[in-house]
Amino acid sequence: DAKTTQPTSMDCAEGRAANLPCNHSTISGNEYVYWYRQIHSQGPQYIIHGLKNNETNEMASLIITEDRKSSTLILPHATLRDTAVYYCIVRVLQGAQKLVFGQGTRLTINP
Amino acid sequence: GAVVSQHPSWVICKSGTSVKIECRSLDFQATTMFWYRQFPKQSLMLMATSNEGSKATYEQGVEKDKFLINHASLTLSTLTVTSAHPEDSSFYICSASPTGGLGVSSYEQYFGPGTRLTVT
Repeated sequence: DAKTTQPTSMDCAEGRAANLPCNHSTISGNEYVYWYRQIHSQGPQYIIHGLKNNETNEMASLIITEDRKSSTLILPHATLRDTAVYYCIVRVLQGAQKLVFGQGTRLTINP
Repeated sequence: GAVVSQHPSWVICKSGTSVKIECRSLDFQATTMFWYRQFPKQSLMLMATSNEGSKATYEQGVEKDKFLINHASLTLSTLTVTSAHPEDSSFYICSASPTGGLGVSSYEQYFGPGTRLTVT
């Protein structure tokens, strides 16, 4: 799988939008961008994924650049419960396969 | 739907003993399950891929004789840490991929809540 790079940590004020960037410059044409988050001492939680179009669900929005070399996860109205480590992963959708987690971004939402 | 459970959620054991951790897919069948380990303030590292009815595939550097994996049914995989030592203390997380048509695993992957192992 292609490698991803993310900032180590970010802070955001409660109620504001949190924008988490991810670089994946070596992504292949058939690889999707996936986002997971891990709240302290819990298993990872799926957030959203996309190929090339922007995606939105009840949790977040995913903006993928036209060249697909980077993406941004947007939490529109961050709450204290969004404090977690956010992982950006690129992968193909082809059967069961291991996920390679990078170091992720530790997002802290401040009151 | 798509719930994965782990048992126990935490365990403390003495050095030299063995500990078994269970990973269950509660509402789906999973031909493939994965075991990850996470040390404090570090990312998840894959230990092994578990396939129902066959031997697990271990990642480089993971001792297969120390971390025994059994995937005897489509809803249960177990990880046994044998002769545990304090350096095995970690957060162990499993994930499961639902079995799709013709018995082929789906690309979806659902994570368990994790098991915290402390070896004293």
